[in-house]
Amino acid sequence: DSGVTQTPKHLITATGQRVTLRCSPRSGDLSVYWYQQSLDQGLQFLIQYYNGEERAKGNILERFSAQQFPDLHSELNLSSLELGDSALYFCASSAGGGETQYFGPGTRLLVL
Amino acid sequence: AQKITQTQPGMFVQEKEAVTLDCTYDTSDPSYGLFWYKQPSSGEMIFLIYQGSYDQQNATEGRYSLNFQKARKSANLVISASQLGDSAMYFCAMREGRGGAAGNKLTFGGGTRVLVKP
Repeated sequence: DSGVTQTPKHLITATGQRVTLRCSPRSGDLSVYWYQQSLDQGLQFLIQYYNGEERAKGNILERFSAQQFPDLHSELNLSSLELGDSALYFCASSAGGGETQYFGPGTRLLVL
Repeated sequence: AQKITQTQPGMFVQEKEAVTLDCTYDTSDPSYGLFWYKQPSSGEMIFLIYQGSYDQQNATEGRYSLNFQKARKSANLVISASQLGDSAMYFCAMREGRGGAAGNKLTFGGGTRVLVKP
């Protein structure tokens, strides 16, 4: 158990819908990262927040957005969902910058 | 160009034997970190080992060791005395820069699937 929690574990929804994935980092960690793992794209970095502020951005679609709240939990919002958004979405956390990232169990999203 | 290359899509290893998983990387940044993660069939990503670009010695963590050859830009993972529970996907990843204000994203390779045979 990495200490990073993600909810829900599984999510099934339809095209065009909007979903919210939630992540709670390890106690004391200030940085939260979101990654997407799909069969065709592999593991890709989406976005990083550090203590509530966006710190780095990867190949995140405009339909996707994220935020980190004062209690340091983070949410990833996916809207106008397409079939290709079906993937395993991971949240990871680290103490700050440069340290090891510890991953949550992931949210498996299936868009039908 | 691929930043992280794992050339072995899959491999078998006999229980109790050692196995080496290859990873080559490409960066022009003198400061970087290399990580290995394990992903069992259950899906979670488990951190195994870390090597910093300025570390003088190869990293070791229990049965895991990292064969770091900086000039060749390789960071191979060695698993000694393989166990059935080692059957999983293994990912090599790189962080470029020192992180901090510049961010801390990881770039992953395509992974190597390891199956340990009894």
